[in-house]
Amino acid sequence: QQQVKQSPQSLIVQKGGISIINCAYENTAFDYFPWYQQFPGKGPALLIAIRPDVSEKKEGRFTISFNKSAKQFSLHIMDSQPGDSATYFCAARKGSGGSNYKLTFGKGTLLTVNP
Amino acid sequence: EPEVTQTPSHQVTQMGQEVILRCVPISNHLYFYWYRQILGQKVEFLVSFYNNEISEKSEIFDDQFSVERPDGSNFTLKIRSTKLEDSAMYFCASRRANEKLFFGSGTQLSVL
Repeated sequence: QQQVKQSPQSLIVQKGGISIINCAYENTAFDYFPWYQQFPGKGPALLIAIRPDVSEKKEGRFTISFNKSAKQFSLHIMDSQPGDSATYFCAARKGSGGSNYKLTFGKGTLLTVNP
Repeated sequence: EPEVTQTPSHQVTQMGQEVILRCVPISNHLYFYWYRQILGQKVEFLVSFYNNEISEKSEIFDDQFSVERPDGSNFTLKIRSTKLEDSAMYFCASRRANEKLFFGSGTQLSVL
């Protein structure tokens, strides 16, 4: 019940295209859903996050769509650029945070954007 | 942007040896964490640390693991007797209250 399932495992997109990565969760106690971007040799970096009281959040070219009833959320990267090539992880956390910040991660999606 | 610093970037050790992974969290952060990522698998939570004590730990974080904040700047993860399955990338992370989590670049631990 703690799992977060992420797909696809890898994704190749042409420059200017839309990249879509999907995640599904089971634990309804999760109430914070971040996406992390990881470049080779670096740690994950927070890209964008959403709480379940909204269905969509947009920051620049990055949008999270959230479907609470289906327990699914997705990351859309509009106008994908070669610099977006990285591994993307969805994650989920329950509780308000406090001292605990136990993120449950998906397995990651390796995105390659071809020029 | 401020960074979480981890040393060393790579650590090779023999099975059964003790290792200490070191982290310097961002200076005004109060909450500290260790995560790990076995090659090809997802990032997994190990432990959270606040106010000089562990606030939560996962089932992975058994008696072989310990954490310490020996001074005002460092945060360490010790593995007492390493096993082959401890080989992974270990990430330190820190944050301020109600703010986002910052990850370090990781220490790649190889147990031979």
